[in-house]
Amino acid sequence: GEDVEQSLFLSVREGDSSVINCTYTDSSSTYLYWYKQEPGAGLQLLTYIFSNMDMKQDQRLTVLLNKKDKHLSLRIADTQTGDSAIYFCAERVNRDDKIIFGKGTRLHILP
Amino acid sequence: GAGVSQTPSNKVTEKGKYVELRCDPISGHTALYWYRQSLGQGPEFLIYFQGTGAADDSGLPNDRFFAVRPEGSVSTLKIQRTERGDSAVYLCASSSGGATGELFFGEGSRLTVL
Repeated sequence: GEDVEQSLFLSVREGDSSVINCTYTDSSSTYLYWYKQEPGAGLQLLTYIFSNMDMKQDQRLTVLLNKKDKHLSLRIADTQTGDSAIYFCAERVNRDDKIIFGKGTRLHILP
Repeated sequence: GAGVSQTPSNKVTEKGKYVELRCDPISGHTALYWYRQSLGQGPEFLIYFQGTGAADDSGLPNDRFFAVRPEGSVSTLKIQRTERGDSAVYLCASSSGGATGELFFGEGSRLTVL
């Protein structure tokens, strides 16, 4: 079955890098996503990676994919207070385009 | 419309009552998804539509839950005989069906069953 796991909390000092990790179970996943949810707001797509890639960089964001271990990570460089949010890992299951989300990692920024 | 619109934003009902939650997707988006998010949890998949038909309804928890999208645009999630455990934020998302499958979410309908 499909399952996406991620740690629930991460605290990082302002200016440091944040690394949020995720594991998934379905080997037929085509796309993997990171969504961001700020307090009182809807989920928004932050970045994504296609399953035949192992890395994607987009400004302060770096996504690493280890398909063999079914492990995805999101690195945020120079973490700012505005990065404080819940980050959801999600996978698109190829056979029916269903998108499954993890429970989310709450990123807390320390001054 | 400019974004995904969900109504009502807040609904309080009594146990046993019937509830309808509406989602108006982004114009032209063919795919529409319903999720349920409980406090401290991630979005839990319920059902997804491609056009008018339900492509996958495997996440609907039981037969009290039903969703329709008769004209391939607006969708309604219907919950019969509500229970306290149905209390959650119900999220709707739409997608253009493009290669990346990006979902655009509404702000959700918060359902409280007393």
